[in-house]
Amino acid sequence: DAMVIQNPRYQVTQFGKPVTLSCSQTLNHNVMYWYQQKSSQAPKLLFHYYDKDFNNEADTPDNFQSRRPNTSFCFLDIRSPGLGDTAMYLCATSRDLGAGQPQHFGDGTRLSIL
Amino acid sequence: SQQGEEDPQALSIQEGENATMNCSYKTSINNLQWYRQNSGRGLVHLILIRSNEREKHSGRLRVTLDTSKKSSSLLITASRAADTASYFCATGLTNAGKSTFGDGTTLTVKP
Repeated sequence: DAMVIQNPRYQVTQFGKPVTLSCSQTLNHNVMYWYQQKSSQAPKLLFHYYDKDFNNEADTPDNFQSRRPNTSFCFLDIRSPGLGDTAMYLCATSRDLGAGQPQHFGDGTRLSIL
Repeated sequence: SQQGEEDPQALSIQEGENATMNCSYKTSINNLQWYRQNSGRGLVHLILIRSNEREKHSGRLRVTLDTSKKSSSLLITASRAADTASYFCATGLTNAGKSTFGDGTTLTVKP
């Protein structure tokens, strides 16, 4: 089945130690998104790629960066994680860019910063 | 700032009962989507309703949209324990290419 896969499912890292989360998709979708979701809150969009074009949300901290080396893979890099970055990180894809496009989500990476 | 706000924040019902969740938003939208999130999992797309539609059905789901009141409701009929999840509305703004999620309603269906 076509799907969005995130690795790892759980990640524990130390304060200030760089961490990379990965996402892969077999849907061949043009758009890939990264969301941060804290407990009992809405998913918050960090950035998205439309093909190779990167679009950062205005309030995404500089500490968060992303790479999309090809259509299938997208990475979220947190350069110097702080305690406030503890959250679930969700990757999603959509066929095209547009508010009416259904998004397909992975099961997330639960990140804990100690 | 958040575009959609769900109400209630939490809802607990017995199996077989209907569950209704509401979403209100502030500015004009092109469409509104509902998603479900089971605990510890990603979101799953349920249904999309466009601004020129008033009602849409999918299985046991019924979604309504009232653009004059800037609100939408999601009705789940004959609920099952497996419907226990958080439900989010996502509003697609008229001049934006992406959707914004509300804080969600946590639904618990007791067997």
